[in-house]
Amino acid sequence: DAGVIQSPRHEVTEMGQEVTLRCKPISGHNSLFWYRQTMMRGLELLIYFNNNVPIDDSGMPEDRFSAKMPNASFSTLKIQPSEPRDSAVYFCASSLDLSTDTQYFGPGTRLTVL
Amino acid sequence: AQKITQTQPGMFVQEKEAVTLDCTYDTSDPSYGLFWYKQPSSGEMIFLIYQGSYDQQNATEGRYSLNFQKARKSANLVISASQLGDSAMYFCAMRLSNTGNQFYFGTGTSLTVIP
Repeated sequence: DAGVIQSPRHEVTEMGQEVTLRCKPISGHNSLFWYRQTMMRGLELLIYFNNNVPIDDSGMPEDRFSAKMPNASFSTLKIQPSEPRDSAVYFCASSLDLSTDTQYFGPGTRLTVL
Repeated sequence: AQKITQTQPGMFVQEKEAVTLDCTYDTSDPSYGLFWYKQPSSGEMIFLIYQGSYDQQNATEGRYSLNFQKARKSANLVISASQLGDSAMYFCAMRLSNTGNQFYFGTGTSLTVIP
């Protein structure tokens, strides 16, 4: 079975540009999570969805960040405009649902904003 | 407030020996889940083992076992017969059901297996 798929795996962009990160959860999983990992702050939960509906976006750092899940098999995390401090590894994870414990992570997208 | 604490930033273990990675947690929620993930240098997060707060027995998965001491609020990971491929960052995490099933991660422990 395919795991969580993220694209791109690496992204280098210039400050001020729009960045879109993509995630395909494991088929049949109803919950999707976006995390950011940095050396300074570790792993932070940004937002999560259940049945395509955003449940909690309190971890989204500011209005420059937005996330959507238009259907059960696709989600995007957008940063507009990007800033150098957004440089991090962004992980997407999925689980069967919110009452099922294990989250399975994608390979991550390493974002560098110059 | 820190909900998950991993006090060992780095650990070393001899190949074939056992090693314990420490994790303590803080919650007043009676229902929670505890997890360990492995992050090798390639960057992916690999699920290792899970322990539910109501589980009576310690979880085991192959060479991994979770030493769950509820009264002490600790959930240490024990890796038996260490292998070179076990060298990685290890993260302890907790899921709280009263906060919408959010995951809280510790800061991680870097494990190096010495040949």
